[in-house]
Amino acid sequence: ETGVTQTPRHLVMGMTNKKSLKCEQHLGHNAMYWYKQSAKKPLELMFVYNFKEQTENNSVPSRFSPECPNSSHLFLHLHTLQPEDSALYLCASSPQGSRYEQYFGPGTRLTVT
Amino acid sequence: AQTVTQSQPEMSVQEAETVTLSCTYDTSESDYYLFWYKQPPSRQMILVIRQEAYKQQNATENRFSVNFQKAAKSFSLKISDSQLGDAAMYFCAYRLNYGGATNKLIFGTGTLLAVQP
Repeated sequence: ETGVTQTPRHLVMGMTNKKSLKCEQHLGHNAMYWYKQSAKKPLELMFVYNFKEQTENNSVPSRFSPECPNSSHLFLHLHTLQPEDSALYLCASSPQGSRYEQYFGPGTRLTVT
Repeated sequence: AQTVTQSQPEMSVQEAETVTLSCTYDTSESDYYLFWYKQPPSRQMILVIRQEAYKQQNATENRFSVNFQKAAKSFSLKISDSQLGDAAMYFCAYRLNYGGATNKLIFGTGTLLAVQP
């Protein structure tokens, strides 16, 4: 596959479950991002990783735990979520630096019941 | 803080006609980028066009062009000869060009464009 891929595409979980979202990029980029997209709200940047190091945490609750084992993979571990966490979670990647374009994955549609 | 505003939640256009989507932004910086992204029902966000703030000439990509008014902080997207495949959510976004390591996009709330056959 090429570009940025995300799995699963859809996820339904209860508030007591633990699940993980996976993102993989095949573009040779060094920066990866998690965004949350809720209806009628702007995309919210959650986390930024540069060369596997977290450089941005946008005041995200601790029930969201990111992991970046290498520059090609990014995970978002979820536990004890709330119904308001239901949203589309988008992953993106780019070369490191503010001059470059971000490439987005197709997203994971998360529903918390 | 920088903000991006899209005042049109939904727009509709007839196939082959022209439509303009509005975007305004607020920043005190002078060097930045502006973008229009398209998100079709498949959900993959795709870059449509970008504009560098220091360039006065409006960017154009085939049927897509922008009207960039820096003093007014306005950045509208014009889609000419609309096609059914243009139906999507369109997001306006801003990125500060400060030469640093972190690449941060600030998005508007989006405009849902419907194309009528």
